[in-house]
Amino acid sequence: DTEVTQTPKHLVMGMTNKKSLKCEQHMGHRAMYWYKQKAKKPPELMFVYSYEKLSINESVPSRFSPECPNSSLLNLHLHALQPEDSALYLCASSQITDTGELFFGEGSRLTVL
Amino acid sequence: EDQVTQSPEALRLQEGESSSLNCSYTVSGLRGLFWYRQDPGKGPEFLFTLYSAGEEKEKERLKATLTKKESFLHITAPKPEDSATYLCAVTDNYGQNFVFGPGTRLSVLP
Repeated sequence: DTEVTQTPKHLVMGMTNKKSLKCEQHMGHRAMYWYKQKAKKPPELMFVYSYEKLSINESVPSRFSPECPNSSLLNLHLHALQPEDSALYLCASSQITDTGELFFGEGSRLTVL
Repeated sequence: EDQVTQSPEALRLQEGESSSLNCSYTVSGLRGLFWYRQDPGKGPEFLFTLYSAGEEKEKERLKATLTKKESFLHITAPKPEDSATYLCAVTDNYGQNFVFGPGTRLSVLP
């Protein structure tokens, strides 16, 4: 059982909708991440939150916006998405940022119609 | 630029047939090399961290080794439940870049 919980597991939305993905971890980790994964590809980093500081992959479009209400919660707000944004969105956490030992949630499967 | 390649892209084994997966990397100062297992539609599961050439880690039927240019994930007498995609990743000494390789899809047939 993963200690990183993501909701919802599946989400279908239209291009004009506004929705959010949620992630929670109870391991006391100080860094949390959002990754996007397309079929048969490795995960791609979108955002990192660490010690209340946000780091952004500059290739991520502004229709994705992260929010970190506290150190154990990380949301991803979605607005005006495109069909090519359909993917598995993975949340992860780690004890510190300069490590590759990440703990992933089971992902949220997003379909944009 | 840090790069990670993995081979083969896909591998089919019979149950009990041992083999190895390769991860080759180019990084400006390796801080760590990481192996993950990913089942279809799930998030990756962390397996091992290797820090220096010559280091080895073992877990059940898996053993990971590291040289200055590559890492191997050896699978001994695999079972069907070992079927998954195996990803390797590296971080550099600056700790700023964490790069996943493309993965190897392993299928173990009963």
